[in-house]
Amino acid sequence: EVQVVQSGAEVKKPGESLKISCKGSGYSFTGYWIGWVRQMPGKGLEWMGIIYPGDSDTRYSPSFQGQVTISVDKSISSVYLQWSSLKASDTAMYYCARNRDGYHDYWGQGTLVTVSS
Amino acid sequence: EIVLTQSPATLSLSPGERATLSCRASQSVSSYLAWYQQKPGQAPRLLIYDASNRATGIPARFSGSGSGTDFTLTISSLEPEDFAVYYCQHRSNWPPITFGQGTRLEIK
Repeated sequence: EVQVVQSGAEVKKPGESLKISCKGSGYSFTGYWIGWVRQMPGKGLEWMGIIYPGDSDTRYSPSFQGQVTISVDKSISSVYLQWSSLKASDTAMYYCARNRDGYHDYWGQGTLVTVSS
Repeated sequence: EIVLTQSPATLSLSPGERATLSCRASQSVSSYLAWYQQKPGQAPRLLIYDASNRATGIPARFSGSGSGTDFTLTISSLEPEDFAVYYCQHRSNWPPITFGQGTRLEIK
């Protein structure tokens, strides 16, 4: 059974760093892209970027390029989304999702990130 | 960047009625379009891919059509669990990928 499981909710202060995780199982982890999607409170879905665990090829949406870093650790089948300096506007639900042929077919449960002083 | 525009923003219908949701692309995406359903407090779920193919486990009352710039998601007879937000997404020349802004399907 394909599963995508994300790390738990985070509460951080502005300026702090953060790395959240996403673990895939039940399929060939290195054979599928995994992407990240942001959903701000009460808003729609925003595609952030994607990584191919097989060779770490990473692509970003222009809106998120330079704002976040996506990385992978194949040894533990995990993908990460990282911020070096959080802002209040980063408060959102973040989803990771496996991508097959350009479509996100299996989604994690979401990680709620709250940034507040 | 290709922009996807969904209409209407909100659709109010009753159970048993037929729902028709629209997604228009700013330029042709061929048939490279998907539809997702998101219920409150849940992650999105893939319903339709490549414009008209149902994803695994999706009921037959959901159907997709269209190509080029104009696409439609049809729910033939609404069940209570179908009231949710629906997003379209294209994969033409991906990445990047973009989503439409969503259509909220609410109970009338």
